[in-house]
Amino acid sequence: KAGVTQTPRYLIKTRGQQVTLSCSPISGHRSVSWYQQTPGQGLQFLFEYFSETQRNKGNFPGRFSGRQFSNSRSEMNVSTLELGDSALYLCASSLVRGRADEQFFGPGTRLTVL
Amino acid sequence: KQEVTQIPAALSVPEGENLVLNCSFTDSAIYNLQWFRQDPGKGLTSLLLIQSSQREQTSGRLNASLDKSSGRSTLYIAASQPGDSATYLCAVRGSARQLTFGSGTQLTVLP
Repeated sequence: KAGVTQTPRYLIKTRGQQVTLSCSPISGHRSVSWYQQTPGQGLQFLFEYFSETQRNKGNFPGRFSGRQFSNSRSEMNVSTLELGDSALYLCASSLVRGRADEQFFGPGTRLTVL
Repeated sequence: KQEVTQIPAALSVPEGENLVLNCSFTDSAIYNLQWFRQDPGKGLTSLLLIQSSQREQTSGRLNASLDKSSGRSTLYIAASQPGDSATYLCAVRGSARQLTFGSGTQLTVLP
């Protein structure tokens, strides 16, 4: 069974540009969450999608957005990139949206903003 | 607001030693706690999931315990190996549903 996949694995952008990251969850998983990991702040929750609807959102500016498609694949978009957006962006999927769900993470997308 | 603390931040042990990693959280109203492993530049690998109603979980040489009332969890690694070298993260899931992570313990197992 394939794990969570994320594309691209690496990205280099310049300030002011926008970027779209993609996440394909484990087959059958319907909930997708996104996290940002930086050396200074650690792992921080961005948002969660379930059944194509954003169910939960972390404390990030509106430049960070996402969506989920009918096949549960998800994309996140960051507009007007800032140097501080350089991070490892991790996607996690879980089977349903229950309290007991185990979350499985992908390999991440390393974003560098110059 | 939930806060998760992991002590120590870094640990270096000789191969074969048994070791304990600690995790504490401020809000005991959690649904579950997960331990992850992260290799440099990689994603997170789920090691163990403990539901709020459970006291411990075991997988191979790993054993995780949970004391929800005191806000503590431990990850016990038996007979450590150089391949166990990685950063270990604990995360709790509370009423807000997202995982709240600790800052991790960087483990080095020396051959």
